Amino acid sequence: AQRVTQPEKLLSVFKGAPVELKCNYSYSGSPELFWYVQYSRQRLQLLLRHISRESIKGFTADLNKGETSFHLKKPFAQEEDSAMYYCALPSRQLTFGSGTQLTVLP
Amino acid sequence: NAGVTQTPKFQVLKTGQSMTLQCAQDMNHEYMSWYRQDPGMGLRLIHYSVGAGITDQGEVPNGYNVSRSTTEDFPLRLLSAAPSQTSVYFCASSIQGNTEAFFGQGTRLTVV
Repeated sequence: AQRVTQPEKLLSVFKGAPVELKCNYSYSGSPELFWYVQYSRQRLQLLLRHISRESIKGFTADLNKGETSFHLKKPFAQEEDSAMYYCALPSRQLTFGSGTQLTVLP
Repeated sequence: NAGVTQTPKFQVLKTGQSMTLQCAQDMNHEYMSWYRQDPGMGLRLIHYSVGAGITDQGEVPNGYNVSRSTTEDFPLRLLSAAPSQTSVYFCASSIQGNTEAFFGQGTRLTVV
């Protein structure tokens, strides 16, 4: 069965520091993964998807099939990055991880 | 183009009451779904629909009913509310189940 694991419920970093939000998946097949973000009092929105290999708001994520991971990274965190981040695996439906609440401290 | 619209935004129910959470989308998406969001649990799929007239259960369907009479609307019914159903509910739509999902703003439900 497909599964998405985000091991960190809470993550705090200082402004300007690098940040990495971990995501591991279990899926039999070639996965296509998403990262969603939910800013305070806003709806969930797609941040990026691995297939596009793009950088959004300075964030990147690389699919590592050997480690079955899709970690989200940003070299220099900003206070406005504080949000809840969800990793998601689309197959027949979207399966979400449990989320990581990122707080960027001034 | 409003996207996905959910009503109401907030609701307080007494145990045993019933209610319907409304969801409408104007993007002509075939796929719609309902999730509940609980602390530490992430988003869990309640029910989903791949098109008008077709619905199926997700991970946590007990206590909820859905119907899909039109492409645009996908209401979620709580038959007899229980405190365990206190949560934030999100409706989403997408072209297919494995494409980008667009979310509503959520409904915060409290059952007392």
